[in-house]
Amino acid sequence: ILNVEQSPQSLHVQEGDSTNFTCSFPSSNFYALHWYRWETAKSPEALFVMTLNGDEKKKGRISATLNTKEGYSYLYIKGSQPEDSATYLCAFRPNDYKLSFGAGTTVTVRA
Amino acid sequence: DGGITQSPKYLFRKEGQNVTLSCEQNLNHDAMYWYRQDPGQGLRLIYYSQIVNDFQKGDIAEGYSVSREKKESFPLTVTSAQKNPTAFYLCASLDSSGANVLTFGAGSRLTVL
Repeated sequence: ILNVEQSPQSLHVQEGDSTNFTCSFPSSNFYALHWYRWETAKSPEALFVMTLNGDEKKKGRISATLNTKEGYSYLYIKGSQPEDSATYLCAFRPNDYKLSFGAGTTVTVRA
Repeated sequence: DGGITQSPKYLFRKEGQNVTLSCEQNLNHDAMYWYRQDPGQGLRLIYYSQIVNDFQKGDIAEGYSVSREKKESFPLTVTSAQKNPTAFYLCASLDSSGANVLTFGAGSRLTVL
């Protein structure tokens, strides 16, 4: 079983504040790290796929960084809005097709 | 519209019965996946298939079986050997020749009575 861990499990953010959270994964046999957003009553949707050490990706107010040598990725939300409330999942892919998810970080943005 | 269709959306089963969850995709993706979600937990991998007629066990395959006879279809059977089958099941496919991201179905909720 591949150990993919996310922290914190949940967090509450005031509207307009920025926040970040972590995904840690095995540092060996790395192929890709995925981030997904899962809103209530919807299916998970892809945010980023990151493959290179030092990668930084950005989509609107959300960005992510990747450190494959130490096995972690950060997801940042700048200026949180109520629509950012969701569970954010990371998934680790080694050099095959297995994709293992962490337990997720649930973000609640308070107006 | 291309996508993944899972059926049924809700399913009730008596203990000791096998049940099959359907997953069909028209995205022309080679790889397909089955995940299970329990309250307070993330997605745990049951089985995955890289290509037709080939599939691999995930982290929690015991009590489940799959087949991959067609590219479009990846059905999951929850057998009576699965000790705690009540859960939400998600099917996904991977666009390995393009964006390399998973596309998910809407899920099937199985309740064992």
